[in-house]
Amino acid sequence: DAGVIQSPRHEVTEMGQEVTLRCKPISGHNSLFWYRQTMMRGLELLIYFNNNVPIDDSGMPEDRFSAKMPNASFSTLKIQPSEPRDSAVYFCASSLEDTRLNGYTFGSGTRLTVV
Amino acid sequence: DAKTTQPPSMDCAEGRAANLPCNHSTISGNEYVYWYRQIHSQGPQYIIHGLKNNETNEMASLIITEDRKSSTLILPHATLRDTAVYYCIVNGNTGTASKLTFGTGTRLQVTL
Repeated sequence: DAGVIQSPRHEVTEMGQEVTLRCKPISGHNSLFWYRQTMMRGLELLIYFNNNVPIDDSGMPEDRFSAKMPNASFSTLKIQPSEPRDSAVYFCASSLEDTRLNGYTFGSGTRLTVV
Repeated sequence: DAKTTQPPSMDCAEGRAANLPCNHSTISGNEYVYWYRQIHSQGPQYIIHGLKNNETNEMASLIITEDRKSSTLILPHATLRDTAVYYCIVNGNTGTASKLTFGTGTRLQVTL
C-alpha cells in the first residue's frame, strides 16, 4: 500500500484565492482525519470522518474552511477565501474504525503558504 | 480525555536506550496510552499503544505502571534517525474512531 497520499505537497497562493487540498486514505481504512500544524499552535485536529460521514468538525476554525468525503477513497479540505494566517502544514490521516487495533497513518502533508 | 505531561526535551547517546516518560495521572479505566513521533518535516508516525500491560513491537517497548498514572516509551538502541518529537496521548476508545489530541511532546535529540 502506498500509504496516505496527499496533494499537492506544496501550495503557494495569494490571499483571497480558493485552495483545495486532497487526500487519498489507505484502502480499507474507514476513518479519516484532517490536522493542521503551525509553530504557534502545534498539531490541531480540524475535522474527522467515519465511513465518509463528518463526525466532529469542532476544530474547523471558521466558515472559510470546509471538508468533504464523497467516497471512501477521497477527501478534500477547501479554504475559501484564503488568508495569510492559514499558512501551515495540513496533514491527512486515516485509520481503521477501531483504533484499539492500530493507530493512525499520516500522509506527508501539504505545506500551504498564503501571501 | 486525560491530559499528559512530558518533558520538553531529552538527549540520548546513539546506541543507548532512550527512555521517554509520560505522566497521565487522571487517566480513566478505558483510556489507552498511544505514542507517536514526528521526524522533522514529516507526518506523525504511530509507534505503539497499550491499555494496562506492557507492550513491545519492532520499534519500541511501552511500560505502563500498575496504577496506570504514568508510562515510559523505550527505544532500546537509539540511532540518529530516532531524533524526533515524541507525543504521548491518552484516549478513551469506545470501538469507534475518536480523535487524538496532540500536545507539545518531547523533543528527543540523539547524538554521536
